[in-house]
Amino acid sequence: GAGVSQTPSNKVTEKGKYVELRCDPISGHTALYWYRQSLGQGPEFLIYFQGTGAADDSGLPNDRFFAVRPEGSVSTLKIQRTERGDSAVYLCASSLTGQGAHNEQFFGPGTRLTVL
Amino acid sequence: DQQVKQNSPSLSVQEGRISILNCDYTNSMFDYFLWYKKYPAEGPTFLISISSIKDKNEDGRFTVFLNKSAKHLSLHIVPSQPGDSAVYFCAASANTDKLIFGTGTRLQVFP
Repeated sequence: GAGVSQTPSNKVTEKGKYVELRCDPISGHTALYWYRQSLGQGPEFLIYFQGTGAADDSGLPNDRFFAVRPEGSVSTLKIQRTERGDSAVYLCASSLTGQGAHNEQFFGPGTRLTVL
Repeated sequence: DQQVKQNSPSLSVQEGRISILNCDYTNSMFDYFLWYKKYPAEGPTFLISISSIKDKNEDGRFTVFLNKSAKHLSLHIVPSQPGDSAVYFCAASANTDKLIFGTGTRLQVFP
């Protein structure tokens, strides 16, 4: 069956530009997560959605980062005024119900963002 | 402040031998621990997990051990196979969906 998909797979942008990264979760999964993986690091939590609402956005680094999930399915991570330090692989994951780490999170392949 | 630490960036093991990957944590509120495996250009995939109320969980060739007093967990793979070559991430959570990951250990299994 279809897993989590993310588009684009690669994005190159210039410092100061706006970017949008898209995540299509597994059909029927109510919980959706965004993580960021910088070079040599493990994934770092950004935000978690339960349905349409952000249940935990404590990992968003600053107000340049925003994410939406208007219909409880597809999510978009939006980054304004990109900086070189935003360069990383942005990972999306989904789980059937959320409600605890024991519910397996299925990860997509990620979007590699490069800010020049 | 790294709450989950994997101090060995890489490990090389001969096929058929045991691989032992280690992970240390600092937050005593963590109550659930997971191991993920990652191949290049793919997202991490779940491997095995353990609740803080247990000290061992086994699934086929994979066993995770938890030592709460030492705030240490380890993943044992036996026998190791070339297809196990990947980056392994330890992760933990404190009664939430938010996972805190370590920096990963690259395992290479050679023939």
